[in-house]
Amino acid sequence: TQLLEQSPQFLSIQEGENLTVYCNSSSVFSSLQWYRQEPGEGPVLLVTVVTGGEVKKLKRLTFQFGDARKDSSLHITAAQPGDTGLYLCAGVSDSNYQLIWGAGTKLIIKP
Amino acid sequence: EADIYQTPRYLVIGTGKKITLECSQTMGHDKMYWYQQDPGMELHLIHYSYGVNSTEKGDLSSESTVSRIRTEHFPLTLESARPSHTSQYLCASSELGAHEQYFGPGTRLTVT
Repeated sequence: TQLLEQSPQFLSIQEGENLTVYCNSSSVFSSLQWYRQEPGEGPVLLVTVVTGGEVKKLKRLTFQFGDARKDSSLHITAAQPGDTGLYLCAGVSDSNYQLIWGAGTKLIIKP
Repeated sequence: EADIYQTPRYLVIGTGKKITLECSQTMGHDKMYWYQQDPGMELHLIHYSYGVNSTEKGDLSSESTVSRIRTEHFPLTLESARPSHTSQYLCASSELGAHEQYFGPGTRLTVT
């Protein structure tokens, strides 16, 4: 069974700090997506990374796909309260093209 | 912004009741999905569809059923609700051949 492990499970920091959350697996993914989910809403797609080593930036958010396409990270610079939410990663299995979900990192940014 | 809708948003019902959770999308997507989400757990796929008259069970065993009579509509039915069905139910859609999914706001179901 393919697993995507996200760490940390929970992170609470002050506004203005930087942070990195991780999405790791022992399996290879053909692509990986990051979503943000706010309370009472469904997940919203932030980015898809496809190529090993790829880096994508979305304003203060930087996403990186590992060289071996087994892991990914999300770095937020100067976090703001609006970044609060559940960050989910989902990988497309290289073997059966199914979407595998991580359990998420719950991020709280305190003003 | 994604155009995918779920009703009701919240539902509290008694054990044994039959319920249908509605999901509609206006994007013309062929693929639709139903997920169950519990706090601290990954999303569990319970049903999906590749298009009209196509329905498949996901990797989480579920006592629910789905139908896909129209492209835009993918309702989920529980014939006899139980407390173990208490959860958040998320509907999503995607283009055929794409993996990026667009989610509705979810239905929070509580079975007493």
